[in-house]
Formats: sequence, structure tokens, C-alpha cells
Amino acid sequence: EVQLVESGGGLIQPGGSLRLSCAASGFIVSSNHMSWVRQAPGKGLEWVSLIYSGGSTYYADSVKGRFTISRDNSKNTLYLQMNSLRAEDTAVYYCARGVTGTVREFDIWGQGTMVTVSS
Amino acid sequence: SSELTQDPAVSVALGQTVRITCQGDSLRNYYASWYQQKPGQAPILVIYGETNRPSGIPDRFSGSSSGNTASLTITGAQAEDEADYYCNSRDSSGNGYVFGSGTKVTVL
Repeated sequence: EVQLVESGGGLIQPGGSLRLSCAASGFIVSSNHMSWVRQAPGKGLEWVSLIYSGGSTYYADSVKGRFTISRDNSKNTLYLQMNSLRAEDTAVYYCARGVTGTVREFDIWGQGTMVTVSS
Repeated sequence: SSELTQDPAVSVALGQTVRITCQGDSLRNYYASWYQQKPGQAPILVIYGETNRPSGIPDRFSGSSSGNTASLTITGAQAEDEADYYCNSRDSSGNGYVFGSGTKVTVL
């Protein structure tokens, strides 16, 4: 079964750091482009970061310089390292797949992991 | 920066047809995708590449596009189609994405 399972969310103080994980099964993470998308409580979807199959990475302006996307091919897992967290980073964080070489974007989503930034 | 504009809410009578639109300059250069999200659940892809439907998505869902506007049409809306719908495309750089603000569909 093709699926994504996120973990690592929690309550963190402003200025703190957190690493989210997204374990994939049924497909190879490094053969696709993968993104993190977040959703603040009661709000819409916001794209956060992208890693291409070739390894290039891109970020939304709101997280550039604070967040880092990466993957571990041996574990078939995607990560999001989040530093200097702010209250406005509070959201459910989803990982999602884009099929490389096609226009099939965000076709598989994880269940999400909640990040709450508060003192 | 790129933006995609959606109407906040629409309603449709059971069995009738509703069209949701999404406007933005990025749609002139990049394909639109559409996602359905029900409360407490992750989004699911319902249309990609403007007009393509993933397997398992009912054929009452269809997509179209013209100029800077993409549309999602539900023909014969069912109670289970009540949800938030988001459009999405690449942003103007081509290396990021933008989502619309979402349209809440109510089935009466």
C-alpha cells in the first residue's frame, strides 16, 4: 500500500527546534519530488518546502533560512528540520508526493502531525 | 508573489451541478490541481493536470481551464461531496507552489 506517515510534532517554545519525519511505504521517496504543506488551525493550505528527486531544495519565503528539507534514502524517509520556531508556525504539517516527470502533484498525503509553538 | 483566488463558499442542491473557480496568473503557465478536504482529514487529490481524475475519484468530478481561470465541476452533487476544495499550481518561479484560499461546498 502506498502511504506516508508523519511524526515528530508536538508543543515547542518560541525559538525552539523540531524535526518532523515522513516515512514512506509502497514507493521510493528519492524517485519522486516531495513537499511539506502546512495548515494553521482553521486556515487554508500553505506550501512550505520541496525537494526534487535530484536533491534540489526550495522553500516558501515564510520559512526560508529557518527550515531545512532533507531525505534519508536508506530509510525511505523525508524530514523537515524546523529552527527558530515562531507562533505563526503553529499548524498541522503534511508531507505529500509529486510524481516526477508528470503533472501529478500532491497525489499522496500523510495524515499530518501537529506542531504547536507556544510558551 | 503568485496568488490563487477562490470564492469562500458555495452551496448546491443534492443532485445538482456546482462549479468552483480558481483565478490566478500562474494558471496561464502551469496546470491546476484540485484537492478535497473534509474536517479533520488530510486533503485528497481529485483533479490533476487540469482535467485528469485519479483512480477512485467519481466521474462526477471534472476539471477545465481557460486563460487564468481553472474550474472544478461536480455534476450531480452528493451529500459526501460536502467539503473544502482547494486549487493549486506551481508558483511564478516554477519551483514552488501556491494554493487557493479554499471554497467550502455545502450540499443542501
